Amino acid sequence: QKEVEQDPGPLSVPEGAIVSLNCTYSNSAFQYFMWYRQYSRKGPELLMYTYSSGNKEDGRFTAQVDKSSKYISLFIRDSQPSDSATYLCAMRRGSYIPTFGRGTSLIVHP
Amino acid sequence: GAGVSQSPSNKVTEKGKDVELRCDPISGHTALYWYRQRLGQGLEFLIYFQGNSAPDKSGLPSDRFSAERTGESVSTLTIQRTQQEDSAVYLCASSLETDFQYFGPGTRLTVL
Repeated sequence: QKEVEQDPGPLSVPEGAIVSLNCTYSNSAFQYFMWYRQYSRKGPELLMYTYSSGNKEDGRFTAQVDKSSKYISLFIRDSQPSDSATYLCAMRRGSYIPTFGRGTSLIVHP
Repeated sequence: GAGVSQSPSNKVTEKGKDVELRCDPISGHTALYWYRQRLGQGLEFLIYFQGNSAPDKSGLPSDRFSAERTGESVSTLTIQRTQQEDSAVYLCASSLETDFQYFGPGTRLTVL
């Protein structure tokens, strides 16, 4: 079992839908939880991060961490075709090297 | 430039040849990471540099892979005697010591 599990998709939704992207993990020591967005033929870019449990909102994006279930989510409201990308979760403890999920491919069609 | 840069953006080579990939991190970032991303796969950690500490080479897949970094600046990843399974995108990232990573655009390596 990998330390971080993420369904690769693809996930295809119509424009305007609410998207839910998820990762599960096994290491309870993880403290920082990140979401990266990667457009085709580009490097990943940091989208959001959360420390420990709870929610964090930024515009149409909400990151949620449930440490008791070892489960993190990224919600995208009013999804747009420009949101079409691969979304990678990542997590780390302290200053250790982060562990990445394999990414979920999201397609938002007009 | 404000971001991480990598060169070349694309590299096509023949099996058995050596290749060098370059990464210019964000100025002032003490940490530098190399990752490999195969088609449709996640990020595979290769090597990590932090300041003047010994690098963490635990992710290098074989002794054909090596990397160097000069101080807190440029890094080069060298792959010797390339094999077809080395074909992938090689990503570099940098960060402040305990901050989050900023990635470059990657070098797409194709080994024929």
